[in-house]
Amino acid sequence: AQKITQTQPGMFVQEKEAVTLDCTYDTSDPSYGLFWYKQPSSGEMIFLIYQGSYDQQNATEGRYSLNFQKARKSANLVISASQLGDSAMYFCAMREGMDSSYKLIFGSGTRLLVRP
Amino acid sequence: DSGVTQTPKHLITATGQRVTLRCSPRSGDLSVYWYQQSLDQGLQFLIQYYNGEERAKGNILERFSAQQFPDLHSELNLSSLELGDSALYFCASSVGGRGPQNTEAFFGQGTRLTVV
Repeated sequence: AQKITQTQPGMFVQEKEAVTLDCTYDTSDPSYGLFWYKQPSSGEMIFLIYQGSYDQQNATEGRYSLNFQKARKSANLVISASQLGDSAMYFCAMREGMDSSYKLIFGSGTRLLVRP
Repeated sequence: DSGVTQTPKHLITATGQRVTLRCSPRSGDLSVYWYQQSLDQGLQFLIQYYNGEERAKGNILERFSAQQFPDLHSELNLSSLELGDSALYFCASSVGGRGPQNTEAFFGQGTRLTVV
């Protein structure tokens, strides 16, 4: 079964508007972490934001925020005030457990295109 | 710049050959992870090393091997290469160890391997 599901293969957003990228996950481990990465056309993987399963508040990093709904097992990324440079692939990933293993399970990604 | 250095950036080689990919983690990070990104398989975890020891194994083929050296740099060896091994290979690093401090994993820029 898919552990991380990103149902939006591609999305468009108008510059300066907000956009939500969906991510749902599946785990029976009470300790886990959720990550979002950005991959521009140049190929590098850029860490954006992290949410731990025990974190009480939704994570925020500048224009990025994570809408964490634990009961629904969703961890949607919200990008506010989109910029042209936000056009990229976005990957949601999960890490299960809190041991020293850091095996990240990635979703299939969402390609975001910001229109001027 | 994530602080994780991968060399080479690009590699073109023939089927049946052997190549070595190199990774230097961020200063202070003890864990190194290798991932493969291909069009058909997406981002797949290969293997993790923590302070010189193998800590977790993912979908790594027997033709592939890795090691982490005392100075913490890591090498991924790919042998008997096949066309299907063409992919972007990422190295990532994190602090490692047990507990909630592992809230980030920073990726290198990747090595794009093309097998012809």
